[in-house]
Amino acid sequence: GAVVSQHPSRVICKSGTSVKIECRSLDFQATTMFWYRQFPKQSLMLMATSNEGSKATYEQGVEKDKFLINHASLTLSTLTVTSAHPEDSSFYICSARGGGFSTEAFFGQGTRLTVV
Amino acid sequence: QKEVEQNSGPLSVPEGAIASLNCTYSDRGSQSFFWYRQYSGKSPELIMFIYSNGDKEDGRFTAQLNKASQYVSLLIRDSQPSDSATYLCALQMVDSSYKLIFGSGTRLLVRP
Repeated sequence: GAVVSQHPSRVICKSGTSVKIECRSLDFQATTMFWYRQFPKQSLMLMATSNEGSKATYEQGVEKDKFLINHASLTLSTLTVTSAHPEDSSFYICSARGGGFSTEAFFGQGTRLTVV
Repeated sequence: QKEVEQNSGPLSVPEGAIASLNCTYSDRGSQSFFWYRQYSGKSPELIMFIYSNGDKEDGRFTAQLNKASQYVSLLIRDSQPSDSATYLCALQMVDSSYKLIFGSGTRLLVRP
């Protein structure tokens, strides 16, 4: 299957700082990228959907000014957690798809964010 | 009501048995369904997807979709201890976003 690379895999930051997470599709053009958050023993919760060159569409309850998403190219999307707080500590996962109905989405490796 | 529902488990089966995982969903018209496996601390990996009524087989895995009853299931034949993981059912939205809505997952434990 296609490869989606997500970095960093783990990050620890101080409360109040910002953290940027990158998601790259290595061997296909990702027309759409999705960002999920997963708390321990819970399922993946979709945060936002981004299409290349467009503003991201955020799910209800997700603060767009806190979770900045940029999808500047067909192979790269970034998620920036601004002014992070301990409650933002979670597993963040991106996925990317090339387009079309029933086309699978490929997942990145995930980023474990710990805010101290 | 949640759009995708799964029993959290754990479902415990002996090695070599058939594991049956189920998922129900709210009726949103024609949809695709995906089964993912997720090991602890890792991101999900796709097992298979199905969008037509009936069965779809891939190796030891069989996905079954029944749109009239609004359920989708995953059968794992000859279960192995390495199959022990959380299995996530996901529904693909039919709007232009094609986003996936995940169930809460079922934890499977295969006993040696």
